[in-house]
Amino acid sequence: NAGVTQTPKFQVLKTGQSMTLQCAQDMNHNSMYWYRQDPGMGLRLIYYSASEGTTDKGEVPNGYNVSRLNKREFSLRLESAAPSQTSVYFCASSDWGSSETQYFGPGTRLLVL
Amino acid sequence: DQQVKQNSPSLSVQEGRISILNCDYTNSMFDYFLWYKKYPAEGPTFLISISSIKDKNEDGRFTVFLNKSAKHLSLHIVPSQPGDSAVYFCAAGLQGAQKLVFGQGTRLTINP
Repeated sequence: NAGVTQTPKFQVLKTGQSMTLQCAQDMNHNSMYWYRQDPGMGLRLIYYSASEGTTDKGEVPNGYNVSRLNKREFSLRLESAAPSQTSVYFCASSDWGSSETQYFGPGTRLLVL
Repeated sequence: DQQVKQNSPSLSVQEGRISILNCDYTNSMFDYFLWYKKYPAEGPTFLISISSIKDKNEDGRFTVFLNKSAKHLSLHIVPSQPGDSAVYFCAAGLQGAQKLVFGQGTRLTINP
Protein backbone atom coordinates (compact mmCIF):
# COMPACT_ATOMS: atom_id res chain seq x y z
CA ASN A 1 0.00 0.00 0.00
CA ALA A 2 1.39 3.39 -1.02
CA GLY A 3 -1.17 5.23 1.16
CA VAL A 4 -1.62 8.80 -0.08
CA THR A 5 0.54 9.94 -2.97
CA GLN A 6 0.95 13.46 -4.32
CA THR A 7 2.48 14.85 -7.50
CA PRO A 8 4.51 16.89 -8.10
CA LYS A 9 6.81 17.12 -5.08
CA PHE A 10 7.97 20.61 -5.96
CA GLN A 11 6.83 23.24 -8.46
CA VAL A 12 7.80 26.80 -9.35
CA LEU A 13 5.19 28.95 -11.07
CA LYS A 14 5.08 32.50 -12.33
CA THR A 15 2.23 34.76 -11.24
CA GLY A 16 -0.81 34.10 -13.39
CA GLN A 17 0.16 30.57 -14.43
CA SER A 18 -2.14 27.66 -13.74
CA MET A 19 -1.44 24.18 -12.46
CA THR A 20 -3.11 21.11 -11.00
CA LEU A 21 -1.88 19.24 -7.94
CA GLN A 22 -2.69 15.55 -8.05
CA CYS A 23 -3.57 13.30 -5.12
CA ALA A 24 -4.44 9.62 -5.01
CA GLN A 25 -5.13 7.16 -2.18
CA ASP A 26 -5.25 3.38 -2.24
CA MET A 27 -6.94 2.82 1.13
CA ASN A 28 -10.51 2.85 -0.24
CA HIS A 29 -11.28 5.89 1.90
CA ASN A 30 -14.47 7.82 1.25
CA SER A 31 -13.26 11.29 2.34
CA MET A 32 -10.40 13.34 0.93
CA TYR A 33 -8.95 16.74 1.86
CA TRP A 34 -6.62 19.48 0.67
CA TYR A 35 -4.68 21.58 3.20
CA ARG A 36 -2.06 24.25 2.98
CA GLN A 37 0.66 24.74 5.59
CA ASP A 38 2.19 28.15 6.15
CA PRO A 39 4.67 29.17 8.87
CA GLY A 40 2.87 29.94 12.13
CA MET A 41 -0.53 29.09 10.63
CA GLY A 42 -0.71 25.34 11.05
CA LEU A 43 -2.71 23.29 8.57
CA ARG A 44 -5.65 25.10 7.01
CA LEU A 45 -8.35 23.27 5.09
CA ILE A 46 -8.84 24.45 1.51
CA TYR A 47 -11.48 22.00 0.21
CA TYR A 48 -12.70 18.58 1.11
CA SER A 49 -14.74 15.82 -0.45
CA ALA A 50 -16.89 13.81 1.95
CA SER A 51 -17.60 11.19 -0.69
CA GLU A 52 -17.23 10.60 -4.40
CA GLY A 53 -19.22 13.22 -6.27
CA THR A 54 -19.29 15.84 -3.52
CA THR A 55 -16.96 18.70 -2.65
CA ASP A 56 -17.18 21.45 -0.03
CA LYS A 57 -15.24 24.58 0.84
CA GLY A 58 -12.95 24.66 3.81
CA GLU A 59 -11.42 27.59 5.64
CA VAL A 60 -9.37 29.10 2.76
CA PRO A 61 -10.96 28.15 -0.61
CA ASN A 62 -10.43 31.39 -2.55
CA GLY A 63 -8.23 30.98 -5.63
CA TYR A 64 -8.62 27.20 -5.76
CA ASN A 65 -10.86 24.64 -7.41
CA VAL A 66 -11.08 20.92 -6.82
CA SER A 67 -12.25 17.82 -8.63
CA ARG A 68 -13.08 14.46 -7.08
CA LEU A 69 -12.31 12.43 -10.18
CA ASN A 70 -13.25 9.09 -8.62
CA LYS A 71 -13.02 7.48 -5.20
CA ARG A 72 -9.21 7.33 -5.37
CA GLU A 73 -8.31 10.73 -6.82
CA PHE A 74 -8.81 14.31 -5.67
CA SER A 75 -7.10 17.15 -7.55
CA LEU A 76 -6.51 20.79 -6.60
CA ARG A 77 -6.31 23.45 -9.32
CA LEU A 78 -4.86 26.93 -9.19
CA GLU A 79 -6.31 28.80 -12.15
CA SER A 80 -4.17 31.93 -11.84
CA ALA A 81 -1.40 31.52 -9.30
CA ALA A 82 -0.52 34.38 -6.95
CA PRO A 83 2.53 34.80 -4.67
CA SER A 84 0.18 34.42 -1.66
CA GLN A 85 -0.37 30.82 -2.76
CA THR A 86 3.28 29.97 -2.11
CA SER A 87 2.91 27.21 0.45
CA VAL A 88 3.22 23.51 1.13
CA TYR A 89 0.09 21.62 0.09
CA PHE A 90 -0.98 18.39 1.73
CA CYS A 91 -3.63 15.95 0.61
CA ALA A 92 -5.24 13.63 3.16
CA SER A 93 -7.86 10.91 3.25
CA SER A 94 -9.99 9.27 5.89
CA ASP A 95 -12.52 6.47 6.27
CA TRP A 96 -15.05 8.76 7.86
CA GLY A 97 -17.71 6.91 9.77
CA SER A 98 -15.26 4.26 10.87
CA SER A 99 -12.47 6.56 12.05
CA GLU A 100 -11.81 10.27 12.30
CA THR A 101 -8.10 9.76 11.62
CA GLN A 102 -6.82 11.44 8.49
CA TYR A 103 -3.80 10.07 6.63
CA PHE A 104 -1.57 12.54 4.85
CA GLY A 105 0.51 12.50 1.70
CA PRO A 106 4.12 13.74 1.58
CA GLY A 107 3.18 17.22 0.36
CA THR A 108 3.79 19.47 -2.65
CA ARG A 109 6.00 22.50 -2.15
CA LEU A 110 4.80 25.33 -4.40
CA LEU A 111 6.66 28.57 -5.05
CA VAL A 112 4.89 31.33 -6.97
CA LEU A 113 7.17 34.11 -8.22
CA ASP B 1 -10.86 33.13 14.94
CA GLN B 2 -8.46 30.36 15.89
CA GLN B 3 -10.58 27.56 17.34
CA VAL B 4 -7.57 25.40 18.21
CA LYS B 5 -4.47 27.05 19.63
CA GLN B 6 -1.00 25.84 20.46
CA ASN B 7 0.52 28.80 22.27
CA SER B 8 4.09 27.49 22.42
CA PRO B 9 5.77 27.66 18.99
CA SER B 10 8.74 25.68 20.31
CA LEU B 11 9.83 23.50 23.22
CA SER B 12 13.25 22.13 24.12
CA VAL B 13 13.59 19.09 26.40
CA GLN B 14 16.50 16.96 27.54
CA GLU B 15 16.63 13.36 26.37
CA GLY B 16 15.04 11.02 28.91
CA ARG B 17 12.87 13.72 30.51
CA ILE B 18 9.16 14.32 30.01
CA SER B 19 7.90 16.46 27.13
CA ILE B 20 4.54 18.16 27.62
CA LEU B 21 2.84 19.78 24.67
CA ASN B 22 -0.28 21.84 25.22
CA CYS B 23 -3.34 22.70 23.16
CA ASP B 24 -6.39 24.86 23.90
CA TYR B 25 -9.70 24.98 22.04
CA THR B 26 -12.67 27.31 22.08
CA ASN B 27 -15.53 25.23 20.67
CA SER B 28 -17.07 23.16 23.46
CA MET B 29 -18.85 21.03 20.83
CA PHE B 30 -15.62 19.36 19.69
CA ASP B 31 -15.93 15.72 20.64
CA TYR B 32 -12.66 14.15 19.59
CA PHE B 33 -9.06 15.25 19.46
CA LEU B 34 -5.94 14.01 17.72
CA TRP B 35 -2.20 14.63 17.81
CA TYR B 36 -0.05 14.46 14.69
CA LYS B 37 3.72 14.45 14.36
CA LYS B 38 5.53 15.98 11.39
CA TYR B 39 9.13 15.62 10.29
CA PRO B 40 10.65 18.09 7.79
CA ALA B 41 9.73 17.42 4.14
CA GLU B 42 7.19 14.76 5.15
CA GLY B 43 3.45 14.72 5.68
CA PRO B 44 1.95 14.69 9.18
CA THR B 45 1.53 11.24 10.71
CA PHE B 46 -1.14 10.30 13.22
CA LEU B 47 0.12 9.78 16.75
CA ILE B 48 -2.73 9.38 19.22
CA SER B 49 -6.36 10.46 19.70
CA ILE B 50 -8.92 10.84 22.44
CA SER B 51 -12.69 11.00 22.52
CA SER B 52 -14.48 13.58 24.65
CA ILE B 53 -15.97 10.79 26.76
CA LYS B 54 -12.50 10.03 28.10
CA ASP B 55 -9.99 12.13 30.00
CA LYS B 56 -6.89 10.06 29.24
CA ASN B 57 -5.57 7.81 26.51
CA GLU B 58 -2.22 6.07 26.56
CA ASP B 59 -0.14 4.43 23.83
CA GLY B 60 3.34 3.40 24.87
CA ARG B 61 5.40 6.48 25.67
CA PHE B 62 2.58 8.81 24.57
CA THR B 63 -0.34 9.89 26.74
CA VAL B 64 -2.99 12.44 25.88
CA PHE B 65 -4.97 14.16 28.64
CA LEU B 66 -8.24 16.00 28.07
CA ASN B 67 -9.69 18.59 30.46
CA LYS B 68 -13.09 19.46 29.02
CA SER B 69 -13.95 22.08 31.61
CA ALA B 70 -10.76 23.98 30.79
CA LYS B 71 -11.01 23.18 27.05
CA HIS B 72 -7.43 21.98 27.20
CA LEU B 73 -5.55 18.93 26.07
CA SER B 74 -1.96 17.93 26.49
CA LEU B 75 0.41 15.34 25.06
CA HIS B 76 2.96 13.77 27.38
CA ILE B 77 5.98 11.94 25.99
CA VAL B 78 7.92 9.87 28.54
CA PRO B 79 10.83 9.32 28.22
CA SER B 80 11.68 11.74 25.42
CA GLN B 81 13.99 10.42 22.72
CA PRO B 82 15.97 12.21 19.97
CA GLY B 83 13.63 10.75 17.33
CA ASP B 84 10.77 12.65 18.96
CA SER B 85 12.20 15.92 17.63
CA ALA B 86 9.50 17.09 15.21
CA VAL B 87 6.59 19.50 14.88
CA TYR B 88 3.47 18.38 16.74
CA PHE B 89 -0.02 19.46 15.70
CA CYS B 90 -3.16 19.02 17.73
CA ALA B 91 -6.48 18.78 15.92
CA ALA B 92 -10.12 18.76 16.95
CA GLY B 93 -13.27 17.62 15.25
CA LEU B 94 -17.01 17.15 15.46
CA GLN B 95 -18.70 13.82 14.88
CA GLY B 96 -20.42 13.98 11.53
CA ALA B 97 -18.64 17.16 10.41
CA GLN B 98 -16.04 15.13 8.48
CA LYS B 99 -13.30 17.68 8.95
CA LEU B 100 -10.66 18.64 11.49
CA VAL B 101 -9.38 21.97 12.79
CA PHE B 102 -5.64 22.09 13.41
CA GLY B 103 -3.52 24.14 15.77
CA GLN B 104 -0.45 26.08 14.64
CA GLY B 105 2.01 23.42 15.74
CA THR B 106 4.78 23.19 18.35
CA ARG B 107 8.35 22.39 17.36
CA LEU B 108 9.80 19.93 19.89
CA THR B 109 13.57 19.56 20.12
CA ILE B 110 15.05 16.77 22.23
CA ASN B 111 18.60 17.55 23.32
CA PRO B 112 21.08 14.73 24.05
